[in-house]
Amino acid sequence: DVKVTQSSRYLVKRTGEKVFLECVQDMDHENMFWYRQDPGLGLRLIYFSYDVKMKEKGDIPEGYSVSREKKERFSLILESASTNQTSMYLCASSVFTGIAEAFFGQGTRLTVV
Amino acid sequence: DQQVKQNSPSLSVQEGRISILNCDYTNSMFDYFLWYKKYPAEGPTFLISISSIKDKNEDGRFTVFLNKSAKHLSLHIVPSQPGDSAVYFCAASGDKIIFGKGTRLHILP
Repeated sequence: DVKVTQSSRYLVKRTGEKVFLECVQDMDHENMFWYRQDPGLGLRLIYFSYDVKMKEKGDIPEGYSVSREKKERFSLILESASTNQTSMYLCASSVFTGIAEAFFGQGTRLTVV
Repeated sequence: DQQVKQNSPSLSVQEGRISILNCDYTNSMFDYFLWYKKYPAEGPTFLISISSIKDKNEDGRFTVFLNKSAKHLSLHIVPSQPGDSAVYFCAASGDKIIFGKGTRLHILP
């Protein structure tokens, strides 16, 4: 059974903190994605990775970085958390883009205070 | 600039009737289109997809139609059931997967 696991369901962090969101997939997928979901804005792509140590900016990369040291793990890093980064963060993976669907984790609700 | 647009933020449909969710896209290079369903506090789950070389794909109560000339796709759910109440995201796939803003579907008893 396909599984994408995000390390936390809920997080509360203070402004200025460095925040790590972890995502692990067990399907040996090449591609991994980080999205954020906000009311009225849908799912917006922050970063994606199509291979180990490779990363590509999505539509809203500002204030974020990512790390992919192993195929199964894709980390999203908020270098200095701000209140406008309060959101639902969703990790996804896929075999390859083009003709395959992405599988999502359960999401991390991050609140920055 | 939105490449995938869902112009209806919400839709209410009577139980048992047909639900039609619409989606428009701008990039003719997309080669695969997908619909996802999302419940609150959960990640989106894949529902149905269609390749750009097809115009229809059916899976049980769900059918997706693609009109390439109009750059438009739609998801039909028939008959609609209470468990279909959720947010539905349209997505298009090329080198990355781009999502629309979603449509909240309410199935009325």
